[in-house]
Amino acid sequence: DGGITQSPKYLFRKEGQNVTLSCEQNLNHDAMYWYRQDPGQGLRLIYYSQIVNDFQKGDIAEGYSVSREKKESFPLTVTSAQKNPTAFYLCASSGGTGVSTDTQYFGPGTRLTVL
Amino acid sequence: DAKTTQPTSMDCAEGRAANLPCNHSTISGNEYVYWYRQIHSQGPQYIIHGLKNNETNEMASLIITEDRKSSTLILPHATLRDTAVYYCIVSRFNQGGKLIFGQGTELSVKP
Repeated sequence: DGGITQSPKYLFRKEGQNVTLSCEQNLNHDAMYWYRQDPGQGLRLIYYSQIVNDFQKGDIAEGYSVSREKKESFPLTVTSAQKNPTAFYLCASSGGTGVSTDTQYFGPGTRLTVL
Repeated sequence: DAKTTQPTSMDCAEGRAANLPCNHSTISGNEYVYWYRQIHSQGPQYIIHGLKNNETNEMASLIITEDRKSSTLILPHATLRDTAVYYCIVSRFNQGGKLIFGQGTELSVKP
């Protein structure tokens, strides 16, 4: 089955600890994205990557870091510098930036709770 | 990116058509209209998108007005599983791929 996987579904961490969220896709998509969703709100873009070994900041990148060493993987690290890390984190991918391939497809999400 | 305006909530009877409106009066000529939905605690699901022609797929139909300032997503025979928040988004291709999600419309399908 082709798709996007995020693990784990639920994650708990103590305040001050860094935590890394996994995102893997087997759709052979070039572009990958990380969004954050707070209760009752829409999604906000954290980071995105259009190609391996390259990524750009989104609207709310402070306190987060990413890497894109492989086409199929785009892990997100939530650092201790992120002031309000408790949220629902969503990963997405798209074929690229061509007209017919730009549609983003989302993973199931990881709900992070910082205690 | 153009802003969109959607009703906060709507109800629909099971088996009837659900018509979800969206206003995007400042849309540019190179911006597409996308619809996604999100069932509680799940990732958003892509439904359909279009530029200026009406579009139909196995999930829904998208009707875009001639002036492109508004659109309607139609679920032809709503089921209880269609209960979700529906997001209307306008976005350009080749711009880094950012999708701006607003508050969306919470659709409740009732038996």
